[in-house]
Amino acid sequence: DTEVTQTPKHLVMGMTNKKSLKCEQHMGHRAMYWYKQKAKKPPELMFVYSYEKLSINESVPSRFSPECPNSSLLNLHLHALQPEDSALYLCASSQGRGQTEAFFGQGTRLTVV
Amino acid sequence: DQQVKQNSPSLSVQEGRISILNCDYTNSMFDYFLWYKKYPAEGPTFLISISSIKDKNEDGRFTVFLNKSAKHLSLHIVPSQPGDSAVYFCAASAGTYKYIFGTGTRLKVLA
Repeated sequence: DTEVTQTPKHLVMGMTNKKSLKCEQHMGHRAMYWYKQKAKKPPELMFVYSYEKLSINESVPSRFSPECPNSSLLNLHLHALQPEDSALYLCASSQGRGQTEAFFGQGTRLTVV
Repeated sequence: DQQVKQNSPSLSVQEGRISILNCDYTNSMFDYFLWYKKYPAEGPTFLISISSIKDKNEDGRFTVFLNKSAKHLSLHIVPSQPGDSAVYFCAASAGTYKYIFGTGTRLKVLA
């Protein structure tokens, strides 16, 4: 089982809204990631959690707030987003760092209006 | 600074023939390389990977070749099938949690 599950699949939110993206994996992976992908661009790393602790923050604006409640779950809390934040948000997980694969979820298509 | 580059934005191949997708990198610290396949509005699907201690890895129809001296890797798909039509990303890692992705190549396999 190499499944990473993301909910919701689609989300439309206003600039004053607060919403959350959710991600779940049951592969026993200890690293979980949030990536952002704009059209015709490669995925860009936002955050990495390792053993439930924030390991990497790629200078992401504070309107994006990650949370790792346990080793299987990863959330991304959204508040006061801008239309340019509209993108495909991808969650991924891996066994660790180094020579290992990351497995991605199906993504959440976010539209900020 | 684009550390991983895929210089061909698109590629068309006849069904049954070989597809060759190329990727170049600049960071000599990269020691693990991956290929992902992506359909529109979906997450990338892992295809195959290779460690820097190898120069070839094969999995079914997919083979990845690594030329460290040229900082170049390629993905061969033989035989190509219409279902292979997608965007292919190469990615690289330097022993950290960061996977750096290339810009992608859109493969179209013609029936």
